Amino acid sequence: KAGVTQTPRYLIKTRGQQVTLSCSPISGHRSVSWYQQTPGQGLQFLFEYFSETQRNKGNFPGRFSGRQFSNSRSEMNVSTLELGDSALYLCASSLKLAGSYEQYFGPGTRLTVT
Amino acid sequence: DQQVKQNSPSLSVQEGRISILNCDYTNSMFDYFLWYKKYPAEGPTFLISISSIKDKNEDGRFTVFLNKSAKHLSLHIVPSQPGDSAVYFCAASEESRDDKIIFGKGTRLHILP
Repeated sequence: KAGVTQTPRYLIKTRGQQVTLSCSPISGHRSVSWYQQTPGQGLQFLFEYFSETQRNKGNFPGRFSGRQFSNSRSEMNVSTLELGDSALYLCASSLKLAGSYEQYFGPGTRLTVT
Repeated sequence: DQQVKQNSPSLSVQEGRISILNCDYTNSMFDYFLWYKKYPAEGPTFLISISSIKDKNEDGRFTVFLNKSAKHLSLHIVPSQPGDSAVYFCAASEESRDDKIIFGKGTRLHILP
């Protein structure tokens, strides 16, 4: 079974631009979460989508948005990029069944804003 | 208010011995607990989870024990190997809050040769 895939793996953007990151979850997983990881702040939760609906949201400004498609694939968009948005953006897909809850992370998209 | 606490920032264990990573929580409504391993500059890797209705779950070298009355769980790694050196995160979720996963701040495990 294929793992979580994220594209692109690396991005360099300039301040003020916008960026879209893509995530394909593990087959059968309907929940997709996005996280921002930086050396200073660690892992911070952005939002989670389940069956095309945003189910949970972290404390990030409205410049960060996302969506999920009917095939569970998800995209995250950051508008008006700032230098502080440079980070590793991680997508995770999860599956909760009776007796188990698993969440798998993708390799991440490393975004550099210059 | 930190609902998931990992009170030991770091832990050193001899190779081949048992590593025990601890986690405390405050929310008695958590219904699942998860453990992750993380290497520098990489995302977390899911290791094992346990339902709140169980007190033990085992997967290979990893065993998680849950003590609901003490609101405490622990991850045992036996035997410890050099590749186990990483940061370990404990996390928990609550069904009534749409299964949002709450992470602890992590414990750095050093496996000594």
